[in-house]
Amino acid sequence: DQQVKQNSPSLSVQEGRISILNCDYTNSMFDYFLWYKKYPAEGPTFLISISSIKDKNEDGRFTVFLNKSAKHLSLHIVPSQPGDSAVYFCAASRFNKFYFGSGTKLNVKP
Amino acid sequence: EAGVAQSPRYKIIEKRQSVAFWCNPISGHATLYWYQQILGQGPKLLIQFQNNGVVDDSQLPKDRFSAERLKGVDSTLKIQPAKLEDSAVYLCASSPSGGQYFGPGTRLTVT
Repeated sequence: DQQVKQNSPSLSVQEGRISILNCDYTNSMFDYFLWYKKYPAEGPTFLISISSIKDKNEDGRFTVFLNKSAKHLSLHIVPSQPGDSAVYFCAASRFNKFYFGSGTKLNVKP
Repeated sequence: EAGVAQSPRYKIIEKRQSVAFWCNPISGHATLYWYQQILGQGPKLLIQFQNNGVVDDSQLPKDRFSAERLKGVDSTLKIQPAKLEDSAVYLCASSPSGGQYFGPGTRLTVT
């Protein structure tokens, strides 16, 4: 039973444009949501997070949006850069237990 | 600040052999996690420690997997005997509270 889903395995975006990565979850009790970025042969690195009491969190080029009624969150990267090319995982947690989506591979073309 | 350390980085074994992975978390992080990441999937939690006590091991295949965290610091994850389907990257993560810091992982190939 997969509680966190990323339905797009890959996304290709032109440099300078916006990248939008999507994530859906099923458990309304999750209270904390995160995005991780992963390069090959490395572990995931934390990117940005949002508490369930908020609907938006921004950090530089990265913004996470949370729609609790739709059980949906998204990550916006503006402007996208070639160095953003990586696999992005969303995760949801409750009581410090984390559930991960299957990842979206982002390719930012120069 | 040093990150989460894991060793070995790569391991190839034959099925039915045993293998052990080691993790050294970030100093002061009370919570330690072991995840299994199969190719094309997200990390799946195997076991979670709070200091040296187990918080959650509901998804750990206890007939073949074991883990310990002595003195609430380093941790080892063991597989005995390994099966082909255990081929994956094993990630260790630690957390002070909220969020996690991941190590580079150990890529296990079972042949």
